Amino acid sequence: KAGVTQTPRYLIKTRGQQVTLSCSPISGHRSVSWYQQTPGQGLQFLFEYFSETQRNKGNFPGRFSGRQFSNSRSEMNVSTLELGDSALYLCASSLAGFLDYEQYFGPGTRLTVT
Amino acid sequence: GIQVEQSPPDLILQEGANSTLRCNFSDSVNNLQWFHQNPWGQLINLFYIPSGTKQNGRLSATTVATERYSLLYISSSQTTDSGVYFCAVPKRGGGADGLTFGKGTHLIIQP
Repeated sequence: KAGVTQTPRYLIKTRGQQVTLSCSPISGHRSVSWYQQTPGQGLQFLFEYFSETQRNKGNFPGRFSGRQFSNSRSEMNVSTLELGDSALYLCASSLAGFLDYEQYFGPGTRLTVT
Repeated sequence: GIQVEQSPPDLILQEGANSTLRCNFSDSVNNLQWFHQNPWGQLINLFYIPSGTKQNGRLSATTVATERYSLLYISSSQTTDSGVYFCAVPKRGGGADGLTFGKGTHLIIQP
């Protein structure tokens, strides 16, 4: 069974621009969560989507948004990029959510904002 | 919200040595996961272990849910075991949900 895939793997953007990252979960998984990893803050939860609906949300500003499609693929968007948004963005999929099911992570998208 | 603490933060060992990594959590949880982050940043699943003991090759893990801790054992370490090991538990409420991760144990295995 194919694992979680994320595209692109690397991205360089300029302050003020916006960016869209994509995540394809494991086949049959309906929950996709997004995490940001930085050296200072570690791994932090952004949001979770289940059946095309945002079910949970972390403490990030509204510049961070996402969506999920009917095939469970998910995208996250960051608008008006700031230098502090430079990070590794990881998505995780699970059968039905992080509370009761094992999470599987993709390889990540490394975003650099200059 | 729930707190997750990992120890030690750093560990340097010679190839062939054994090690024990600890994860303490501040509240009761539904499950607990151990991950190994490789040098390219991907989180590799090691164990999904709400309670009890599991073994996979040279690795094993034990979670004592009633005492709110989990241990990851690595035996006969190899250089490929190097990397950062995270434990994570699910959190609900308090303004932020999702998995809460510890700060990790950075393991270096020297040949």
